Amino acid sequence: DIQMTQSPSSLSASVGDRVTITCRASQSISRYLHWYQQKPGEAPKLLIYSASTLQSGVPSKFSGRGSGTDFTLTISDLQPEDFATYYCLQTFDIPRTFGQGTKLEIK
Amino acid sequence: EVQLVESGGGLVQPGVSLRLSCAASGFTLSNHWMHWVRQGPGKGLLWVSRINSAGTSTTYADSVKGRFSISRDNDKGTVYLQMNSLRVEDTAVYYCARESPAHSSELDSWGQGTLVTVSS
Repeated sequence: DIQMTQSPSSLSASVGDRVTITCRASQSISRYLHWYQQKPGEAPKLLIYSASTLQSGVPSKFSGRGSGTDFTLTISDLQPEDFATYYCLQTFDIPRTFGQGTKLEIK
Repeated sequence: EVQLVESGGGLVQPGVSLRLSCAASGFTLSNHWMHWVRQGPGKGLLWVSRINSAGTSTTYADSVKGRFSISRDNDKGTVYLQMNSLRVEDTAVYYCARESPAHSSELDSWGQGTLVTVSS
């Protein structure tokens, strides 16, 4: 199975900050990497697919980079609605595997 | 509008069976592979199972293989997850999710989830 290691597991930031979350795959997954946002009590929401393509309707403050094994999600100008848990997902192989999540909290 | 609505969750004892349903609307279900993903209380997301668009190919996580079965009825617009021999560790919110037929197989739409609690 492909292991997805996400870091940090938690992150404290202030409104207006810019933050970066990292996801590392245990083997190359090309660009089969996607980012999700999940708020308490809600389903995950797709933010970015294929490592760097913004899903329709998602604001451009979210950006993704990477290929192979190393990927990043950057969120600019943090607003209160951005404080949530973020997950990466690889769809290169079965079983699909998620990172363990990054909880973004308000400082 | 794309909608996925799960149902069938509940409180059950270990060893019993439960069938979850995922009703799809707002798109042509037969064009999409479909998945189930679960999330234990306070835990992260765990992929459970996948079924192809015709319902002829299925795949499972090792943790549920041999106990869970995914199926679909495209005419009824519904995907199912039959869960047998349930264990306490199967307690989770179960989400169904649609796979994009383009791009990189990302899961682009999710239902709101249905809670399964396995407890004696």
